[in-house]
Amino acid sequence: EAGVAQSPRYKIIEKRQSVAFWCNPISGHATLYWYQQILGQGPKLLIQFQNNGVVDDSQLPKDRFSAERLKGVDSTLKIQPAKLEDSAVYLCASTSDFSGELFFGEGSRLTVL
Amino acid sequence: SQQGEEDPQALSIQEGENATMNCSYKTSINNLQWYRQNSGRGLVHLILIRSNEREKHSGRLRVTLDTSKKSSSLLITASRAADTASYFCATVSGAGSYQLTFGKGTKLSVIP
Repeated sequence: EAGVAQSPRYKIIEKRQSVAFWCNPISGHATLYWYQQILGQGPKLLIQFQNNGVVDDSQLPKDRFSAERLKGVDSTLKIQPAKLEDSAVYLCASTSDFSGELFFGEGSRLTVL
Repeated sequence: SQQGEEDPQALSIQEGENATMNCSYKTSINNLQWYRQNSGRGLVHLILIRSNEREKHSGRLRVTLDTSKKSSSLLITASRAADTASYFCATVSGAGSYQLTFGKGTKLSVIP
């Protein structure tokens, strides 16, 4: 079974530029999450999707971050404009049920200069 | 906000020794999970313990849960150099949607 795919793995941008990250969850997983992990900290939830609907985006900085999940499968997380404090690893995770583990991708490491 | 707090923040042991990491949390939970993260990689699920369970084993891993103290511990026996990684506890609360709230993690170094 293929795992959660994310791209790009690494991205370096200047502040005020924009960036987009892509995630393809495990086939059949209805629930998809985006987490932000700043160096030395644990992952922090940004947004949760159930199929193509948003379940929780209360911690998403909506003035600069946006996310969508097309047709309930792939998802894109966008940052525009980026700030220095957005430097982090952006992790995508998915799950098939509400009782077990989350499956994580390798993450997309963003450096904002 | 981060629910779980791991202790210690960093741990260095010799290969073959046991490693114990602790996690404390604040609110009632549905289940608690432990994940491992190798440097520069994603998180890998290790073990899940439900709120009505007290202890669980998986290979060299042993997890305990004390809901009265709102704490959990992860024991790795006979550690190997390959166990070097960061370990995170994550809690799922009983209310609302299914979300994991992570702690800050314990960085384990196993010296060959």
